[in-house]
Amino acid sequence: EDQVTQSPEALRLQEGESSSLNCSYTVSGLRGLFWYRQDPGKGPEFLFTLYSAGEEKEKERLKATLTKKESFLHITAPKPEDSATYLCAVRPLDDSSYKLIFGSGTRLLVRP
Amino acid sequence: EAGVTQFPSHSVIEKGQTVTLRCDPISGHDNLYWYRRVMGKEIKFLLHFVKESKQDESGMPNNRFLAERTGGTYSTLKVQPAELEDSGVYFCASSPRGNYGYTFGSGTRLTVV
Repeated sequence: EDQVTQSPEALRLQEGESSSLNCSYTVSGLRGLFWYRQDPGKGPEFLFTLYSAGEEKEKERLKATLTKKESFLHITAPKPEDSATYLCAVRPLDDSSYKLIFGSGTRLLVRP
Repeated sequence: EAGVTQFPSHSVIEKGQTVTLRCDPISGHDNLYWYRRVMGKEIKFLLHFVKESKQDESGMPNNRFLAERTGGTYSTLKVQPAELEDSGVYFCASSPRGNYGYTFGSGTRLTVV
């Protein structure tokens, strides 16, 4: 069964303290891996799509990487405004479906 | 560009009643999706429309849920009759043809009491 597991469930950082979030996945084939940010009361906001092992993408203080079994979201020198829930999702290699399989998310709190 | 709009933002109904959720996708987006998050669980897929046709409804939990997409524009998700376990946040998302990147709406928080 296709599955996505994110760790840790929650993470508290001091402003400027870099860290990484993990997303491990089990799928029969991977068409794409997605990272989203979700703020309270809002829908997920798209950050990155990664398609193949070795691929990396960056946006401001965020950098996403992908291996054959997991993805990392690296946060460099975070600021309080980076506080949010970060969601990982995969799209299995199935031509008939566009559905995404989500992990439970990592709640990030960055303290000033 | 206007985003994905969902309403109502909140709905509280009694068990056994009917509720209809509405989603207006980004104009021109052929793909429309419904997802939901129940308490303590991850966001789960419900169904996918391509224009007005249901492409994949494998995530619909049972026949109390009915989704429609009129003329390939807005979509409704009706729950009839609602049960306690239907409580959660229902998200709608849309994407252009062939594009994997979704844009999500802010969701409808449904509470069944």
